[in-house]
Amino acid sequence: AQRVTQPEKLLSVFKGAPVELKCNYSYSGSPELFWYVQYSRQRLQLLLRHISRESIKGFTADLNKGETSFHLKKPFAQEEDSAMYYCALSGQVGNFNKFYFGSGTKLNVKP
Amino acid sequence: DTGVSQNPRHKITKRGQNVTFRCDPISEHNRLYWYRQTLGQGPEFLTYFQNEAQLEKSRLLSDRFSAERPKGSFSTLEIQRTEQGDSAMYLCASSLSRPQETQYFGPGTRLLVL
Repeated sequence: AQRVTQPEKLLSVFKGAPVELKCNYSYSGSPELFWYVQYSRQRLQLLLRHISRESIKGFTADLNKGETSFHLKKPFAQEEDSAMYYCALSGQVGNFNKFYFGSGTKLNVKP
Repeated sequence: DTGVSQNPRHKITKRGQNVTFRCDPISEHNRLYWYRQTLGQGPEFLTYFQNEAQLEKSRLLSDRFSAERPKGSFSTLEIQRTEQGDSAMYLCASSLSRPQETQYFGPGTRLLVL
């Protein structure tokens, strides 16, 4: 079965502290991995994707195929990072693409 | 073009009634996706279109659900004989063709079935 697991529903850190949001996946193939973010009262939007190997708003994520993980990291959290974060997977199953989201982690950055 | 739009934003209906939602994607995007999101969960994939062709449907999409994209532009999602379990946020997204392309989401339609 294809699945995306985000084990933490809520993560609270103080401003300036490092943050790591965990994502593990189960997929029998070569998936594309993404992180989406939803700020309060805004729509879901892409934060970053593994194929781009980019850093967005100070966040990075490395795909670890051995551990089937795609954890999101930021060395110094800011209050404006407070939001819901969803890990997502896109993969080919047969002739079609499948898309799976994790259940999300709410990040709360305290002043 | 200000992004993906969805109408209505909110819908309250009685059990057994039919409802229809509309999604207008970003104009140059040929892929359109529908998701359902319930409280405390991430979006669950329902179906997607490449132009007017419906390419994939989730097993979540029961016979009461039907989606169309007749001209390859806007899409509609209809739920017949609504049940209380259909209460959820219905999200639409659009993208260019390749699967690794960014999906741009609409604001969603929140459905409450009484």
